[in-house]
Amino acid sequence: QVQLQESGPGLVKPSQTLSLTCTVSGGSISRGSYYWSWIRQPAGKGLEWIGRISTGGSTSYNPSLKSRVTISVDTSKSQFSLTLSSVTAAETAVYYCARYLTSSESWYFDLWGRGTLVTVSS
Amino acid sequence: EIVLTQSPGTLSLSPGERATLSCRASQSVSSTYLAWYQQKPGQAPRLLIYGASSRATGIPDRFSGSGSGTDFTLTISRLEPEDFAVYYCQQYGSSPLTFGGGTKVEIK
Repeated sequence: QVQLQESGPGLVKPSQTLSLTCTVSGGSISRGSYYWSWIRQPAGKGLEWIGRISTGGSTSYNPSLKSRVTISVDTSKSQFSLTLSSVTAAETAVYYCARYLTSSESWYFDLWGRGTLVTVSS
Repeated sequence: EIVLTQSPGTLSLSPGERATLSCRASQSVSSTYLAWYQQKPGQAPRLLIYGASSRATGIPDRFSGSGSGTDFTLTISRLEPEDFAVYYCQQYGSSPLTFGGGTKVEIK
């Protein structure tokens, strides 16, 4: 079955760039009607959508982060990635990658990674 | 941006009781794009309900979703010990995709 796994540095310095990769295993990142997404969650707080990339490569970002975010996909490696520049301590959070199904009847997150904690600290 | 307001923030109930969770949208959301998730400590969210009222695979029938337009409800008919968790509604009828702030269902 398809699984998602986040990877990347667990510690990033303030003002630097956070980079994470999500590896899709057990299935093709190119098949199906999906948006491949990044979501984050500070400790004890709610979920915030960062953005997504479609199987065709089109992107959409949360306006609150748009100027600092890039999501890209490498279909040959079955991976999609997140870069977030100029991070602050307030962006310390668990970062999740997730698959968003877009069918004619319903849209929803049907698959999540386990999440990776990224701490922003000097 | 569509803001989803969940209430109450915390629901204190006993096992066997009925839980009713509300999700109110700042603008109308098509049911197609409204989903509910359950999250337990240290875990990723898990899909419960999609299309406002359809149960995801493997979700017990004590969970049900209803509503339309701006008002949506998640009901747990009889709480089991494993149901004590945080619940989020989510929409993508309009970009950006947004989540509600969550309702924590705790043991009374």
